[in-house]
Amino acid sequence: DAMVIQNPRYQVTQFGKPVTLSCSQTLNHNVMYWYQQKSSQAPKLLFHYYDKDFNNEADTPDNFQSRRPNTSFCFLDIRSPGLGDAAMYLCATSRTGGFHQPQHFGDGTRLSIL
Amino acid sequence: AQSVTQLDSQVPVFEEAPVELRCNYSSSVSVYLFWYVQYPNQGLQLLLKYLSGSTLVESINGFEAEFNKSQTSFHLRKPSVHISDTAEYFCAVRPYNTDKLIFGTGTRLQVFP
Repeated sequence: DAMVIQNPRYQVTQFGKPVTLSCSQTLNHNVMYWYQQKSSQAPKLLFHYYDKDFNNEADTPDNFQSRRPNTSFCFLDIRSPGLGDAAMYLCATSRTGGFHQPQHFGDGTRLSIL
Repeated sequence: AQSVTQLDSQVPVFEEAPVELRCNYSSSVSVYLFWYVQYPNQGLQLLLKYLSGSTLVESINGFEAEFNKSQTSFHLRKPSVHISDTAEYFCAVRPYNTDKLIFGTGTRLQVFP
């Protein structure tokens, strides 16, 4: 089945130690999104790509970076994680050619900071 | 700017009872409307969407939602819930001119036996 896959499902890192979360998709969608979701809150959009065009949200901390080497893969890099960055990180994809297209989500990576 | 309000943060209900999860939105432009469901430790799954046409939309698992333009609402209903419906439900809007989703804060539906 075509899907959005996030690895790992659970990630533990140390305060200040860089960490990378990965997302891959077999849907061949050209738009990919990264969301941060803290406990009992709505997902918060960090950034998204139209193909290779990167779009950063104005309030996304500089600590968060992203790479999209090809259509299928997208990475979230947190350069110096703080305790406040502990959250679920969700990757999603969609097609353009119609803004009615829904977003398809992966199961997320839960990040813990020690 | 757009915003989505889910008035109830938690809705407890007994199995086989009806339920309504409320969603209101505010937008200066036309929007598409969505309901997503999130089970524990999983991502969001699309439950149903309103794009145009009939204001009543249905999902395959018995949920339905009705778009009310005058009240800017998109409430989710199910006539008889199951234990397996226990999850977090997010209402979201997508303005016509953007690929971004604006989410509500979610409603936790807890179904008791």
